[in-house]
Amino acid sequence: NAGVTQTPKFQVLKTGQSMTLQCAQDMNHNSMYWYRQDPGMGLRLIYYSASEGTTDKGEVPNGYNVSRLNKREFSLRLESAAPSQTSVYFCASSEGWGQPQHFGDGTRLSIL
Amino acid sequence: KNEVEQSPQNLTAQEGEFITINCSYSVGISALHWLQQHPGGGIVSLFMLSSGKKKHGRLIATINIQEKHSSLHITASHPRDSAVYICAVPRSYNTDKLIFGTGTRLQVFP
Repeated sequence: NAGVTQTPKFQVLKTGQSMTLQCAQDMNHNSMYWYRQDPGMGLRLIYYSASEGTTDKGEVPNGYNVSRLNKREFSLRLESAAPSQTSVYFCASSEGWGQPQHFGDGTRLSIL
Repeated sequence: KNEVEQSPQNLTAQEGEFITINCSYSVGISALHWLQQHPGGGIVSLFMLSSGKKKHGRLIATINIQEKHSSLHITASHPRDSAVYICAVPRSYNTDKLIFGTGTRLQVFP
């Protein structure tokens, strides 16, 4: 049972490059989330998807786009990476409102 | 908007000690989450509770809705309990979007 799978685990980009972080879950969950974690700060929600075909902005959406491709997959895209987007990114999923969230292992992203 | 504060920020203990980690939040919520982040970075949900107390093994979580406060207790602590413990609450009552505390880093020494 893989749970929530994130790829890649590590990535180094140059300022201005673009990339997509992939997330897939095999638990048939409705809700999916993208967070970033920075030193000294709590996890912050970037984008949220309550169901296939719907997305909603979180606390820090600027500079990011998301796609809920199907029920399993929720991708996060950086169109033009900036050093301020250096962070650890976590994807999570849950059955829905008021349910526990299951996290992927994270993607460590450095932007030079 | 809800705010979350955890205390202490850092905690060291000897194996076998009883541990308490606290979480306070500012507005009414439907449920509070406790999570554990391992030294390797992985995050695991420990508890979700909206009232009273929950127990899982040596971990006990309590919540006082009136006082907007929750505690996570670890009985008979062990070095493998060393991790960051994170409290999270919904941004407002009827939403799934969470606000996270900055975490309590626990180190348990043998």
